[in-house]
Amino acid sequence: QQQVKQSPQSLIVQKGGISIINCAYENTAFDYFPWYQQFPGKGPALLIAIRPDVSEKKEGRFTISFNKSAKQFSLHIMDSQPGDSATYFCAASGETSGSRLTFGEGTQLTVNP
Amino acid sequence: EAGVTQSPTHLIKTRGQQATLRCSPISGHTSVYWYQQALGLGLQFLLWYDEGEERNRGNFPPRFSGRQFPNYSSELNVNALELEDSALYLCASSLSPGHTIYFGEGSWLTVV
Repeated sequence: QQQVKQSPQSLIVQKGGISIINCAYENTAFDYFPWYQQFPGKGPALLIAIRPDVSEKKEGRFTISFNKSAKQFSLHIMDSQPGDSATYFCAASGETSGSRLTFGEGTQLTVNP
Repeated sequence: EAGVTQSPTHLIKTRGQQATLRCSPISGHTSVYWYQQALGLGLQFLLWYDEGEERNRGNFPPRFSGRQFPNYSSELNVNALELEDSALYLCASSLSPGHTIYFGEGSWLTVV
């Protein structure tokens, strides 16, 4: 019940295109859903996060869409750039686990110029 | 403001030895988390410390242990190293449980 499933495993997008990464969770106690971006050799960096009281959150080119009934959330990267090429992890946590995050398996995004 | 800092950056150990990794959280943060990221794999939760106490533990054998000091820094100890322990070990901190967590750059452990 602690799992977070992420897809696709890898994604190739042309510059200017839209990148979409999906995640699904099982634990209904999860109430915080962040996305992290990780470049090779670096630690993950918080990109954007959402709580289930809203269905969408946008920050610049990055948007999280959240569907509580389906227990799914997704990351949309608009106008994808080569500099966005990285591994993206979705995650989830709940009050009972403190900030302990359960991560998805990761998506390796490549944006071709 | 300094972020989460980890040391050493790289560590090479022989199978059977012990490794100690260190982490300094962001100033004011009381919670420290340790994750293991094996090459090409996701982030696996290891340990969570808050206010000096171990709050939660992931599905790892007892030879993975750690502690949190009064200044909230933390160390991760891995005893009886095995080849499959080779990974990036990430430390993260949060202001308190339930707040956003921020990661350090990690410590690369190679077991030969």
